[in-house]
Amino acid sequence: DIQMTQSPSSLSASVGDRVTITCRASQSISSYLNWYQQKPGKAPKLLIYAASSLQSGVPSRFSGSGSGTDFTLTISSLQPEDFATYYCQQSYSTPPTFGPGTKVDIK
Amino acid sequence: QVQLQESGPGLVKPSQTLSLTCTVSGGSISSGSYYWSWIRQPAGKGLEWIGRIYTSGSTNYNPSLKSRVTISVDTSKNQFSLKLSSVTAADTAVYYCARDSLAGTYDYWGQGTLVTVSS
Repeated sequence: DIQMTQSPSSLSASVGDRVTITCRASQSISSYLNWYQQKPGKAPKLLIYAASSLQSGVPSRFSGSGSGTDFTLTISSLQPEDFATYYCQQSYSTPPTFGPGTKVDIK
Repeated sequence: QVQLQESGPGLVKPSQTLSLTCTVSGGSISSGSYYWSWIRQPAGKGLEWIGRIYTSGSTNYNPSLKSRVTISVDTSKNQFSLKLSSVTAADTAVYYCARDSLAGTYDYWGQGTLVTVSS
């Protein structure tokens, strides 16, 4: 299985901050990388697919980049509704695997 | 707008079989080139992919669970189902069903259902 890691595991930020989350795959996954947002008690929500494509309806302050083994999710200006846990997930090979998550909370 | 809804017992005894159904509304489960997946999340932990089914009946399972998992589809009811046998406390989790729109990209999810394994 391809192992996914994320850093940091948690971060505290303020509204308006620029936030960057990193995801690394244990082997090259080309651009087969998705990002999800999960709020407590809710299902994950797809934000970014294929490393950098914004899912329909997702605000443009979210962006993704990277290829190969290293990827980044950036929130350009953190909003109150963005406090949540973020997961990366590889779709390069079966089984698809998720990172351990990055919790973004209020400073 | 596609919607998914999980249903099934919230409590299962150890060694028994966990059975869940996902009902899809807002579109036919047979339309388009989609897989239909099950994903679980133990409390306070990360997400684990269980397996998926295509409407042809073709399946893929996580090797870590393959010996215990069966996923099936009933296109006439617009549903797909999960069976996980010989459960233990380690199978206690929130179970989600999801649509796989692009070979491993989950764009629609059910709300999730908590299944507890306990005697």
